[in-house]
Amino acid sequence: AQSVSQHNHHVILSEAASLELGCNYSYGGTVNLFWYVQYPGQHLQLLLKYFSGDPLVKGIKGFEAEFIKSKFSFNLRKPSVQWSDTAEYFCAVLYNFNKFYFGSGTKLNVKP
Amino acid sequence: NAGVTQTPKFRVLKTGQSMTLLCAQDMNHEYMYWYRQDPGMGLRLIHYSVGEGTTAKGEVPDGYNVSRLKKQNFLLGLESAAPSQTSVYFCASHQDSYEQYFGPGTRLTVT
Repeated sequence: AQSVSQHNHHVILSEAASLELGCNYSYGGTVNLFWYVQYPGQHLQLLLKYFSGDPLVKGIKGFEAEFIKSKFSFNLRKPSVQWSDTAEYFCAVLYNFNKFYFGSGTKLNVKP
Repeated sequence: NAGVTQTPKFRVLKTGQSMTLLCAQDMNHEYMYWYRQDPGMGLRLIHYSVGEGTTAKGEVPDGYNVSRLKKQNFLLGLESAAPSQTSVYFCASHQDSYEQYFGPGTRLTVT
């Protein structure tokens, strides 16, 4: 069965620190990759997605992610986090344009 | 546009009771999904639908049934609730871009 791994379960950073959240997926044919964010008390919303082309994708609010096919990874980055980035972040993989699989999530706590 | 709405927002059931969760979307999306979110486990796909009148099993379908009689609605049923089904349930929909739009969630407790 396909799987998506997020190794960092809880990350605490100070404002202005750089962020990198890891996401690895199991091989399973054609994949499309997503990062979703869930702010406290809100529902999930899309940060960015990768379907094809440039493996470095830029999303909303200064986030970016890099698809490295050889490493089955799609890590999320942000050069300088803000307190408002405090949220839970989910990596998701769409296999063969069929089913979505989500990682277990990473809770980010940014201290002002 | 209301987007994706879910009814109810909260529910407490006793073991063995049944209930139906309703998901509605007003974006004319073909694809609809039901997930459950549990601490430390992320979202797991229960069932999904690729169009009106179709349904398919996801990762964790046991104990749940679904129906998609109308394009805008996707119902999730629990015939005989169990404590293991205590969770937060999210509905999502998308069209060709595969960007999923999520509902606000239903928090279900089974005692």
